[in-house]
Amino acid sequence: GEDVEQSLFLSVREGDSSVINCTYTDSSSTYLYWYKQEPGAGLQLLTYIFSNMDMKQDQRLTVLLNKKDKHLSLRIADTQTGDSAIYFCAEIIGRDDKIIFGKGTRLHILP
Amino acid sequence: IAGITQAPTSQILAAGRRMTLRCTQDMRHNAMYWYRQDLGLGLRLIHYSNTAGTTGKGEVPDGYSVSRANTDDFPLTLASAVPSQTSVYFCASSEVQGLALHFGNGTRLTVT
Repeated sequence: GEDVEQSLFLSVREGDSSVINCTYTDSSSTYLYWYKQEPGAGLQLLTYIFSNMDMKQDQRLTVLLNKKDKHLSLRIADTQTGDSAIYFCAEIIGRDDKIIFGKGTRLHILP
Repeated sequence: IAGITQAPTSQILAAGRRMTLRCTQDMRHNAMYWYRQDLGLGLRLIHYSNTAGTTGKGEVPDGYSVSRANTDDFPLTLASAVPSQTSVYFCASSEVQGLALHFGNGTRLTVT
């Protein structure tokens, strides 16, 4: 397909791990990104992974990349109420290196 | 504080009117972008500019135009607004094309 695919909603209990999945389209994408959008705000870069890596860990965040399946995931350990937001996966496509986003996954934290 | 400034913050516009959304960055980034965000559709790229003096079309360019006369400014113009252009518009920049984006706080535009 032509679109970056993400599930639209995810509910997780506080303290559990959240896993947000993404399927991207361009196998030559140099970087893959995760952005976070809190209510009423713009997007902020959360983390990224270079295409020659399989995994990247940054404190509570773990990014896994499966290039064969063009699958990217973001794991948030010990999910907190402050993690409630929309999470966007993004890839680089085309010869002009345009950055294209998925539709976003809304993470809802249950008490 | 370095960053991206968008103006106005919000606007209600009558259909058929012309409107320019302003975007200025002070980070000396080469690449700049305009996205629109709509419920259920995520962010879609409208136009982009990889360096001053050049522009390119994104996923949804129709009804919009841009210019990049200098490094800092990247205005987005709606020549004749239509209700389907009601959206939240985000300007973004990156040091060079393909690197991580810095976003402005957005302009909420309603076309009636």
